[in-house]
Amino acid sequence: DTGVSQDPRHKITKRGQNVTFRCDPISEHNRLYWYRQTLGQGPEFLTYFQNEAQLEKSRLLSDRFSAERPKGSFSTLEIQRTEQGDSAMYLCASSFNTAEAFFGQGTRLTVV
Amino acid sequence: GQNIDQPTEMTATEGAIVQINCTYQTSGFNGLFWYQQHAGEAPTFLSYNVLDGLEEKGRFSSFLSRSKGYSYLLLKELQMKDSASYLCAVNGQAGTALIFGKGTTLSVSS
Repeated sequence: DTGVSQDPRHKITKRGQNVTFRCDPISEHNRLYWYRQTLGQGPEFLTYFQNEAQLEKSRLLSDRFSAERPKGSFSTLEIQRTEQGDSAMYLCASSFNTAEAFFGQGTRLTVV
Repeated sequence: GQNIDQPTEMTATEGAIVQINCTYQTSGFNGLFWYQQHAGEAPTFLSYNVLDGLEEKGRFSSFLSRSKGYSYLLLKELQMKDSASYLCAVNGQAGTALIFGKGTTLSVSS
């Protein structure tokens, strides 16, 4: 296993467009996390899955954000009607239960 | 609610020892993690504490006091490559997500 992979690595989109990111976790990991990170800040929790169930979603997450993990393997994060404030690095991480989480390289989103 | 506090910035010189503190308030506790993040890269796992005491791993050690809601990361024999952001993260109540602090930016100078 080569670790957590995310696609795309970079995305530039116009304000108002929809974007979708993909994360492939480490295969035996049952937990998958999405975080957003801006410059000089720690990763901000967005949502997480245990297998295919979405167990927690940040109260800061607007209804423009949705995530899925349909078969308990890969996950997608969609942002609808993007705004300039959505510009950030979107990080995916996976873990086996509460053991250490491993991060992907992230998707850098720029909304213009 | 949950809260994790760490200093924003620290500076040190090569060869020195530095201690980065982290305090947390969470509902429940299922482990505390330290991660290192170099600029433009993803966080990488450094250490894990779930019981009180000191965990040592080479030049890096991490300490936990659950009763005080307190941890520190100790870096010895600092090298220039240790310049990075150090993130404290906590697994709170069972079934809840791993939550990160804002990170401490460490600058090591010669």
